[in-house]
Amino acid sequence: DGGITQSPKYLFRKEGQNVTLSCEQNLNHDAMYWYRQDPGQGLRLIYYSQIVNDFQKGDIAEGYSVSREKKESFPLTVTSAQKNPTAFYLCASRNRDRAYEQYFGPGTRLTVT
Amino acid sequence: AQSVTQLGSHVSVSEGALVLLRCNYSSSVPPYLFWYVQYPNQGLQLLLKYTTGATLVKGINGFEAEFKKSETSFHLTKPSAHMSDAAEYFCAVPRGNEKLTFGTGTRLTIIP
Repeated sequence: DGGITQSPKYLFRKEGQNVTLSCEQNLNHDAMYWYRQDPGQGLRLIYYSQIVNDFQKGDIAEGYSVSREKKESFPLTVTSAQKNPTAFYLCASRNRDRAYEQYFGPGTRLTVT
Repeated sequence: AQSVTQLGSHVSVSEGALVLLRCNYSSSVPPYLFWYVQYPNQGLQLLLKYTTGATLVKGINGFEAEFKKSETSFHLTKPSAHMSDAAEYFCAVPRGNEKLTFGTGTRLTIIP
């Protein structure tokens, strides 16, 4: 079955530690996205990538970093510079033939204490 | 830049009653509009997609949405609510380079 995998489902870290969230897709989609979701704020775009080895900042990129070395993978690193990292993180991908239509993974809930 | 407004962060309806979730877009007619559904602790799932020229769009799970240019609206409806419809619903509109702007969401509660 094709889809998007995010692991782990729940992640706990201590303040000051970097943490990397995994996103893998086997849909052969070109574009991939990372969003942060907080209660009452909808989804906010962190980073996105249209092709391998290229990515752009979204609306709230400060304190985050990404890489896109393979078409299937788009990991997100939450650095210690991110002031309020506790949130639900969603990865999405898009087929170049389906304008704007994004498909989402199941999400990772990150808790930093 | 295009944006969407979802009126009502929480909506409660009785099982079997009409579901109406509101979404208004901000300015010029967008080429696409989307409704997504999110069940607790899960990702978003595409419910339906509007493309230019359509007025009534049918989606999954018995949902549909009507595009009304005169009201800049794209409200989501379902004739008869089911307990399994309890979820959060997001309206979204394109912006910039293949990105989407999402509304703040409406949490739908179904009363038995």
